[in-house]
Amino acid sequence: DGGITQSPKYLFRKEGQNVTLSCEQNLNHDAMYWYRQDPGQGLRLIYYSQIVNDFQKGDIAEGYSVSREKKESFPLTVTSAQKNPTAFYLCASSILAVGGYTFGSGTRLTVV
Amino acid sequence: AQTVTQSQPEMSVQEAETVTLSCTYDTSENNYYLFWYKQPPSRQMILVIRQEAYKQQNATENRFSVNFQKAAKSFSLKISDSQLGDTAMYFCAFTQMNRDDKIIFGKGTRLHILP
Repeated sequence: DGGITQSPKYLFRKEGQNVTLSCEQNLNHDAMYWYRQDPGQGLRLIYYSQIVNDFQKGDIAEGYSVSREKKESFPLTVTSAQKNPTAFYLCASSILAVGGYTFGSGTRLTVV
Repeated sequence: AQTVTQSQPEMSVQEAETVTLSCTYDTSENNYYLFWYKQPPSRQMILVIRQEAYKQQNATENRFSVNFQKAAKSFSLKISDSQLGDTAMYFCAFTQMNRDDKIIFGKGTRLHILP
């Protein structure tokens, strides 16, 4: 079955360490997105990519980095520069100009 | 900049009742999509319903329907015959058509269906 896979589901890291969240899709979607979800904040866009080897900052890109070396993969690195990294992270993909996302099941990151 | 506002942070209704969730948005664009997404306790985001702005007819999906008022920039979700499984966070969302497809989300309404 086609879909988006995020791994791991839960991730614990010590403060000051970089950590990479995985997002893989087999839907042949052009675009991929990373959102952060905090209580009472809704979903906020971190980064997005419409094509391989190209990506753009979203509203809250500081302290994060991404790569898009393959169409299927869009990993997100949470760096030590991110002040409040503990959050729920959602990856999504879409066929451009059709409207609407398919979401992964999310990664809960806790930094201690 | 486009914004999406959900004015009801939390709501509770009895099972089998009808409930309406409110959403307003702000945009200067004429062509766009509007969505309602559901996020149950599992936290999986599920598309409930989608509305193209150029369509005057309100979208419906079984017990879910919308009241789309383009001039008022309002997009409410009505859930009929509510069920316990409807308990979830509901997000209203917006994206421009034929652009970069970024979706802007409201802050959500937490809906509790009571037995």
